[in-house]
Amino acid sequence: DQQVKQNSPSLSVQEGRISILNCDYTNSMFDYFLWYKKYPAEGPTFLISISSIKDKNEDGRFTVFLNKSAKHLSLHIVPSQPGDSAVYFCAASVVGGGADGLTFGKGTHLIIQP
Amino acid sequence: DTAVSQTPKYLVTQMGNDKSIKCEQNLGHDTMYWYKQDSKKFLKIMFSYNNKELIINETVPNRFSPKSPDKAHLNLHINSLELGDSAVYFCASSRPSGGADTGELFFGEGSRLTVL
Repeated sequence: DQQVKQNSPSLSVQEGRISILNCDYTNSMFDYFLWYKKYPAEGPTFLISISSIKDKNEDGRFTVFLNKSAKHLSLHIVPSQPGDSAVYFCAASVVGGGADGLTFGKGTHLIIQP
Repeated sequence: DTAVSQTPKYLVTQMGNDKSIKCEQNLGHDTMYWYKQDSKKFLKIMFSYNNKELIINETVPNRFSPKSPDKAHLNLHINSLELGDSAVYFCASSRPSGGADTGELFFGEGSRLTVL
């Protein structure tokens, strides 16, 4: 049972345009959400996060939106750059859940075309 | 000056063998983890260690055993390797979530294990 779902295995976007990556979750206990970026042959690196008390968090070109009622979050990248080509993982956790770690989605491979 | 480092990066071995993957973190974090990324690309938690105490074991076969000699190290030992163990194994560390801490994970580069 996938508690965190990323239904698009891949996404191709032209350089300069907006990239929108989507993520859905089923566990209503999750109250903290993160996006990780992964290049080939490297470990995932933290990108941006959002607490369930917010509906938006922005960091430079990256914005994460959270819709709690729909159990849906999205990552917007604008403008998209070639270096953004990577696999993006959505992850969720329960704050105060101790060392339970993160539950990850399957990832979306973002390809930025020149 | 890598924050979370794991060795070896690549490991090719025969079925039935016993192997280990080492992990070290220099972030001063309390908790370390092992994640497995299988052929379907899911990142699934296997273990976490907090102050040398196993916190989670997500139905992982007992052929897999984590060993933590100290807070900065969490090694993964695998006995009697099977074909299905082929995967990329990621070590990670974090401060446990709670208060201002969110449990953000810092990952190593991964160790690709291939069992022939």
